[in-house]
Amino acid sequence: ETGVTQSPTHLIKTRGQQVTLRCSSQSGHNTVSWYQQALGQGPQFIFQYYREEENGRGNFPPRFSGLQFPNYSSELNVNALELDDSALYLCASSLPGQANTEAFFGQGTRLTVV
Amino acid sequence: AQSVTQLGSHVSVSEGALVLLRCNYSSSVPPYLFWYVQYPNQGLQLLLKYTSAATLVKGINGFEAEFKKSETSFHLTKPSAHMSDAAEYFCAVRTYSSASKIIFGSGTRLSIRP
Repeated sequence: ETGVTQSPTHLIKTRGQQVTLRCSSQSGHNTVSWYQQALGQGPQFIFQYYREEENGRGNFPPRFSGLQFPNYSSELNVNALELDDSALYLCASSLPGQANTEAFFGQGTRLTVV
Repeated sequence: AQSVTQLGSHVSVSEGALVLLRCNYSSSVPPYLFWYVQYPNQGLQLLLKYTSAATLVKGINGFEAEFKKSETSFHLTKPSAHMSDAAEYFCAVRTYSSASKIIFGSGTRLSIRP
């Protein structure tokens, strides 16, 4: 059983650029969530995808967008990068619907905006 | 709205001593509560979860937590600290009304003194 994998592990972007982060969910999990973890803080929910549709969104501007593909993998896209977007971005996969369902997290992508 | 508060951003204990990490939650509906651990430069790993069954929950690596509704608390304990327990610990809440997202506390960094 493969776990949640994210790519790339690190990247550096310039302010104003666009970035795409990728996530492969754990085998059998059709729900993927994305979180932003700024340095020294807890993860903040960005959005969740289920069956290729957005299924809940946190307090993030529209320049944060996502996709989910038929194989349940997902992308997080951020346009017009700002310095404050520098953070660890975590992807989590789970089975749908149940609040007591465990979410399995990937290792994260460390994004630095300069 | 749901929230969690972790008391103490940094806790330091001696090896072999009791570990106590505090978490208080706020929720208008029955919550599901989780403790996650994050080692440096890694993603989140689930330690344990409370899902309305037993109020005393046992997790991995010798950790346990007790759900106390009257105190709205879910403190994490371990009888004897080990050097390998040094990490960041996050308390989190999820409810049926917002099953799509997990709300994390700000985290507690646990240091172990030899």
